[in-house]
Amino acid sequence: AQSVSQHNHHVILSEAASLELGCNYSYGGTVNLFWYVQYPGQHLQLLLKYFSGDPLVKGIKGFEAEFIKSKFSFNLRKPSVQWSDTAEYFCAVFSGGYNKLIFGAGTRLAVHP
Amino acid sequence: EAGVAQSPRYKIIEKRQSVAFWCNPISGHATLYWYQQILGQGPKLLIQFQNNGVVDDSQLPKDRFSAERLKGVDSTLKIQPAKLEDSAVYLCASSLRGVNTEAFFGQGTRLTVV
Repeated sequence: AQSVSQHNHHVILSEAASLELGCNYSYGGTVNLFWYVQYPGQHLQLLLKYFSGDPLVKGIKGFEAEFIKSKFSFNLRKPSVQWSDTAEYFCAVFSGGYNKLIFGAGTRLAVHP
Repeated sequence: EAGVAQSPRYKIIEKRQSVAFWCNPISGHATLYWYQQILGQGPKLLIQFQNNGVVDDSQLPKDRFSAERLKGVDSTLKIQPAKLEDSAVYLCASSLRGVNTEAFFGQGTRLTVV
């Protein structure tokens, strides 16, 4: 069955530190990959997405993610975090084979000034 | 562009009562999802519609949960009877059509069962 794993459940960083959140998925076929963000009290918003082409994708607010097909991974990165990046981050995978959008458990990021 | 609308935003009910949630997707979006998000967990897919047909409902507890999407637009999700463990945020999302499209989420309905 299709599944998504996020390795870090809670991450605490100081402002200006670099961020990398891990995401691995289980499906071996064609996939669409997403990172969603949920700021406190707000709804899920799309941060970035990968459908095809350049495996390094850039999203909003300075975030980027790299799709590594051989590792079934889609890790999220940001070189320098800000206090306003405090939120919960969800990796999600849509596979054509299963035809459904599945989410990981999420990573709660706290950035201290 | 109007987003995904959900109502109510909050609901408190006693166990064994029934409750219904409503979702109006973005106009023209063929795919509609209902997710359950328990505190501290990721969204769990309950049911997925393509127009008014069910694509996947493998994780929907069918003894108490039901959902419909009449005319391929609005959708309702019902719980009857509710249990304490149903306390969660119920999220509705829509997308144009499965592959190579992104899902847009509503604000969610926070259900508390006491």
